[in-house]
Amino acid sequence: DSGVTQTPKHLITATGQRVTLRCSPRSGDLSVYWYQQSLDQGLQFLIQYYNGEERAKGNILERFSAQQFPDLHSELNLSSLELGDSALYFCASSVVLAGGTQYFGPGTRLLVL
Amino acid sequence: QQQVKQSPQSLIVQKGGISIINCAYENTAFDYFPWYQQFPGKGPALLIAIRPDVSEKKEGRFTISFNKSAKQFSLHIMDSQPGDSATYFCAASKDYGGSQGNLIFGKGTKLSVKP
Repeated sequence: DSGVTQTPKHLITATGQRVTLRCSPRSGDLSVYWYQQSLDQGLQFLIQYYNGEERAKGNILERFSAQQFPDLHSELNLSSLELGDSALYFCASSVVLAGGTQYFGPGTRLLVL
Repeated sequence: QQQVKQSPQSLIVQKGGISIINCAYENTAFDYFPWYQQFPGKGPALLIAIRPDVSEKKEGRFTISFNKSAKQFSLHIMDSQPGDSATYFCAASKDYGGSQGNLIFGKGTKLSVKP
């Protein structure tokens, strides 16, 4: 158990809908990262927050957004969902801004029908 | 553009054998190279990591070899066990200790260790 929690574990929704994925980092970790894992693209970095501020952006679609709240939990919002958004979404956390161990949560499996 | 290339895609090794997974990177700004292990239904977990100021790092049965001039690094699993059967990802990041720490992952290697 990494200490990172993610909810929900599974999510099934329809195209065009909007969903919110939630992540609670390990106690004391200030950095939160979101990654998407799919069979064709592998593990891809989406976005990083550190202590409430956005720090880095990867290949995150404009339909996707995230935020980190004062209690350090983070939410990833996916809107206007398409079939191709079906994937595993992982949250990871670390103590430091860069270079520290990233602890991954168990992931949220999203299926868009 | 894939910045970290990993091979092989899959690997079958006999129990007790050595598993070797290779990665190559393009961006010379990368300065942190971790390996992650992922079991089905779980998130990736850090196995071992190296920075470019050393050429080798060993932790138990796991060793990273790093060749800065060739821009390559590899994971060696000695005395491979069936419990090592998992998918292994190499990764790289830049700006260690700086302002951002996102990881760029290889495509993964599915390792099967036969008893």
